[in-house]
Amino acid sequence: GESVGLHLPTLSVQEGDNSIINCAYSNSASDYFIWYKQESGKGPQFIIDIRSNMDKRQGQRVTVLLNKTVKHLSLQIAATQPGDSAVYFCAENSGGSNYKLTFGKGTLLTVNP
Amino acid sequence: ETGVTQTPRHLVMGMTNKKSLKCEQHLGHNAMYWYKQSAKKPLELMFVYNFKEQTENNSVPSRFSPECPNSSHLFLHLHTLQPEDSALYLCASRTIAGRSTDTQYFGPGTRLTVL
Repeated sequence: GESVGLHLPTLSVQEGDNSIINCAYSNSASDYFIWYKQESGKGPQFIIDIRSNMDKRQGQRVTVLLNKTVKHLSLQIAATQPGDSAVYFCAENSGGSNYKLTFGKGTLLTVNP
Repeated sequence: ETGVTQTPRHLVMGMTNKKSLKCEQHLGHNAMYWYKQSAKKPLELMFVYNFKEQTENNSVPSRFSPECPNSSHLFLHLHTLQPEDSALYLCASRTIAGRSTDTQYFGPGTRLTVL
């Protein structure tokens, strides 16, 4: 079965609002997590990553939070813009040094002007 | 955009055709991957090549045949495909550096339609 999943398949927000996309994972041994953004007709684009020894990591307008206790990962996008509209995937590395990513199905984020 | 290019971007083929997908990475990476992305399914890993050697075949049918002549190029040879093989095929690459935290970078994908 799938070990990485998303709580909400779709999310619609107003431009300027903050967005939160959630992800659950089941493999407690996973040591590395990535968020990708995929726009229509394009390949997944790296957004931000986090190692399992961290709880939070910030990028430009994005923050990833990792809660290992409940095996939960979230992506926060500040001041969401129309260009943020895309499908967002989380992925976990459950293979350790063998590096094997397992992907979630994705959440479709729609930003309304 | 990410340093990983794929050709062709779109391909329509019949079930008796033979075609090849090409991937090239310009990032100096040493590991390359093929993924299949079908509608309403998570990304599925197909093959992994580390330093030109295949290290993983994720139970992929033999009608898909990968080839990695060097660390910068990856091919996926297709023959006698089925309509259910229609999908977006994505190539990715990364640097193996002894850590698990080197992310993969994806190409734009080849949209394959099997008639």
